[in-house]
Amino acid sequence: GQQVMQIPQYQHVQEGEDFTTYCNSSTTLSNIQWYKQRPGGHPVFLIQLVKSGEVKKQKRLTFQFGEAKKNSSLHITATQTTDVGTYFCAGPMNYGGSQGNLIFGKGTKLSVKP
Amino acid sequence: DGGITQSPKYLFRKEGQNVTLSCEQNLNHDAMYWYRQDPGQGLRLIYYSQIVNDFQKGDIAEGYSVSREKKESFPLTVTSAQKNPTAFYLCASSILGRGTGELFFGEGSRLTVL
Repeated sequence: GQQVMQIPQYQHVQEGEDFTTYCNSSTTLSNIQWYKQRPGGHPVFLIQLVKSGEVKKQKRLTFQFGEAKKNSSLHITATQTTDVGTYFCAGPMNYGGSQGNLIFGKGTKLSVKP
Repeated sequence: DGGITQSPKYLFRKEGQNVTLSCEQNLNHDAMYWYRQDPGQGLRLIYYSQIVNDFQKGDIAEGYSVSREKKESFPLTVTSAQKNPTAFYLCASSILGRGTGELFFGEGSRLTVL
């Protein structure tokens, strides 16, 4: 069945180091979304990528969507303690349904040492 | 303030008991969803609804039931037929037909079966 895989599962960095999480889909995606979940919290939408090869930036965060629309990455430059949390990628389920029917990766849990 | 309200935040249940989790939104979103999150796992879709009085099964609907009698409300019942109900349950909503399909999540309900 359709799968979305994310690596690494955990990443521990020193504050100020960079961080990257990678997302790979078993199928071509019409779009990919990224969410952040703080410890004990709920997922919060960060961004959606739609176009092949698209790159979007939000301050220190850079999001990329692969040319084949099967992979994506999130890169954080110079991590801060406020970046701590789990980052999830998600793509639409291929059987359709609602726009919000998403298949999520298992997430990358980022910890930042001050 | 617009948002999604889930209650209760924490719930303990004995085996064999049904329990209902509440989800209310005042965002005027048409679509609502229930996702389940297990430790170290991504989110998995239980049920979704795009319109009042209609709902569809997601990937893991067995042992759960829902209703959508009002646009604002989408309660989830975890029945005794659900074999492994201990989990973090997240309700979400989204706009249909325009926008990104971004999911807005509630703060979640943590269910523990004793």
